[in-house]
Amino acid sequence: QKEVEQDPGPLSVPEGAIVSLNCTYSNSAFQYFMWYRQYSRKGPELLMYTYSSGNKEDGRFTAQVDKSSKYISLFIRDSQPSDSATYLCAMSSFYTGANSKLTFGKGITLSVRP
Amino acid sequence: EAGVTQFPSHSVIEKGQTVTLRCDPISGHDNLYWYRRVMGKEIKFLLHFVKESKQDESGMPNNRFLAERTGGTYSTLKVQPAELEDSGVYFCASSQEYPNTEAFFGQGTRLTVV
Repeated sequence: QKEVEQDPGPLSVPEGAIVSLNCTYSNSAFQYFMWYRQYSRKGPELLMYTYSSGNKEDGRFTAQVDKSSKYISLFIRDSQPSDSATYLCAMSSFYTGANSKLTFGKGITLSVRP
Repeated sequence: EAGVTQFPSHSVIEKGQTVTLRCDPISGHDNLYWYRRVMGKEIKFLLHFVKESKQDESGMPNNRFLAERTGGTYSTLKVQPAELEDSGVYFCASSQEYPNTEAFFGQGTRLTVV
C-alpha cells in the first residue's frame, strides 16, 4: 500500500466551477500536509500547508485535513483557466530538520475550460 | 532574489555513462533536498543535506548515486554508471530553518538514459 494515494485524473471542469481534490494516506506520523501546484516544465510550488487537522483558507483556496480519516482535501472556488496545472499533495512528519522529507501523491492534472 | 537553480535542464546520455546534476539553492538555505520523479510515478525523496552534512539519505536507490554538498552551498548528484531506469526528472529543493521553512523547488533536470 502506498503511503499517499491521489487519484491521478485527469480532471476537466468549466470556468467558475468548484474543484475538489483529495488524497488519502496511511502513515499516522504525518503531521504537516501540503498542496503543491506544478505548471508544465516547472518545479512544484507550495500552494498551502496545514498542520494537523483543520481547515485553512487563502483566497479561492481551502485546504482541509481530517487526521481521523487520514484524508486531506483542496477546494478551489470560482476556478479560472490559470488554475490549470498539476496539483500534488505532500506530507511530512516534521516541517523542518530530521524527517522533514516530503512524501508526495502522484498528482492530478486539472484543466479549467474557458 | 534568485530561486533554486538546477542544471542542466535536460541531459541525454547513454547507458553506462556518467552524469552529474547540479543544484544551486537559495542563498542562506541550510536545507537542501533531492527528489526524483520517474515517469508515471510520484515524486520520491532521495536525500536531505543540512549544510554540508547528509541528514537523511534513505531514499538513494543504490550506490551508483553519489550526492555531495561541499562547503554547504551548491550540491551535485552524480549517477555512475547510468542505467535506463534512472531516467526521470530530478528536483532539488531548499529551505531555511527559521522563520520561513517553506521548501522552494528548482525547475528540475530531465535525465534521459538511452
